[in-house]
Amino acid sequence: KAGVTQTPRYLIKTRGQQVTLSCSPISGHRSVSWYQQTPGQGLQFLFEYFSETQRNKGNFPGRFSGRQFSNSRSEMNVSTLELGDSALYLCAIRTKKNEQFFGPGTRLTVL
Amino acid sequence: AQSVAQPEDQVNVAEGNPLTVKCTYSVSGNPYLFWYVQYPNRGLQFLLKYITGDNLVKGSYGFEAEFNKSQTSFHLKKPSALVSDSALYFCAVRPLSWANNLFFGTGTRLTVIP
Repeated sequence: KAGVTQTPRYLIKTRGQQVTLSCSPISGHRSVSWYQQTPGQGLQFLFEYFSETQRNKGNFPGRFSGRQFSNSRSEMNVSTLELGDSALYLCAIRTKKNEQFFGPGTRLTVL
Repeated sequence: AQSVAQPEDQVNVAEGNPLTVKCTYSVSGNPYLFWYVQYPNRGLQFLLKYITGDNLVKGSYGFEAEFNKSQTSFHLKKPSALVSDSALYFCAVRPLSWANNLFFGTGTRLTVIP
């Protein structure tokens, strides 16, 4: 059964700091996508990794980056945090049924 | 460019009544269409999808959606609403390509009144 673990679940940072979020697919799915959810902008696609390669990217500044490891775990990094980066960050895997299965998210608060 | 519209920010319905949450889309070609639900402090949960075939798609928790190509709509429906259906609902489209990114609507908050 597909499953996604995201750590940490909650995070508080201050402006200018950097942060790394983690996403671990339980069953080693090769495709991992990241989304940002904010009250103002809604759900927006950040990027997708497939077999350790970024193959699709949304319209976000270069401060947002990511990577994927050989075990399919993915990390997302945001440098020089801004107040507007406060959001719920969601990770999703693509199942064999062509669905995206989402993790519980990491709630980032930037003070 | 792809886009998804959910024209209603809020939908209120009495328990036991039928509910409809509207969604229209704009995309080149034939899209994959999805509905997701989000409960407070939770991630998105998959409800149903349309890829091809029968225009009426049945999903989880008694929900169904009707794909209408001429109206480019994919409205979510349920014959009898439950209080536990109260949540935030998102319509999403994935353009028919190798990429896995979804374009989401702005969401509709459904409140089922006891």
